[in-house]
Amino acid sequence: DAGVIQSPRHEVTEMGQEVTLRCKPISGHNSLFWYRQTMMRGLELLIYFNNNVPIDDSGMPEDRFSAKMPNASFSTLKIQPSEPRDSAVYFCASSGTQGSQNTIYFGEGSWLTVV
Amino acid sequence: AQSVAQPEDQVNVAEGNPLTVKCTYSVSGNPYLFWYVQYPNRGLQFLLKYITGDNLVKGSYGFEAEFNKSQTSFHLKKPSALVSDSALYFCAVRVPRGGGGNKLTFGTGTQLKVEL
Repeated sequence: DAGVIQSPRHEVTEMGQEVTLRCKPISGHNSLFWYRQTMMRGLELLIYFNNNVPIDDSGMPEDRFSAKMPNASFSTLKIQPSEPRDSAVYFCASSGTQGSQNTIYFGEGSWLTVV
Repeated sequence: AQSVAQPEDQVNVAEGNPLTVKCTYSVSGNPYLFWYVQYPNRGLQFLLKYITGDNLVKGSYGFEAEFNKSQTSFHLKKPSALVSDSALYFCAVRVPRGGGGNKLTFGTGTQLKVEL
């Protein structure tokens, strides 16, 4: 079975540019999560969706960040404009329909460097 | 609010020896507890979870963890460590229908180093 698929795996961009990260959750999963990992702050939950609806976006750092889930099989995380402090690994994760009991499965991450 | 503490940034173990990676949690209500492992330049891989029932949970790669409600702990253990177990380990908590919703809150991670 395919796991959570993220693209791009690596991106280097210049400050001020728009960055779009993409995620395809595991088929049949109804919860999707975006996490950010940095050395300084560890793993932070940015936003999560249930049935394509954003439930908690309190972790989104500022208005430059936005996330969408237009359908059950696709989500994007956009940063516009990007800044060097946004350099991090961004993980997408998904889980199934049994609520909190379900395991959250992670993608391999998108490694973002903003120069 | 829910939180997880991993008191050790790094644990060093000799191959063949038992290992323990510590985790304590703070939640309102009954927790669901998880362990993940992250190898360099990779995503997080699920190891095991405690939902209910037997306090000793067995997971992937020979790992196990013991849920201790009185000590609010969920330490990860393995009887005999391998060099290939060297990785970053994360403990995480989720509270069913709690204030944290459906989200998973992670500890800061413990780097495990297994040496020959």
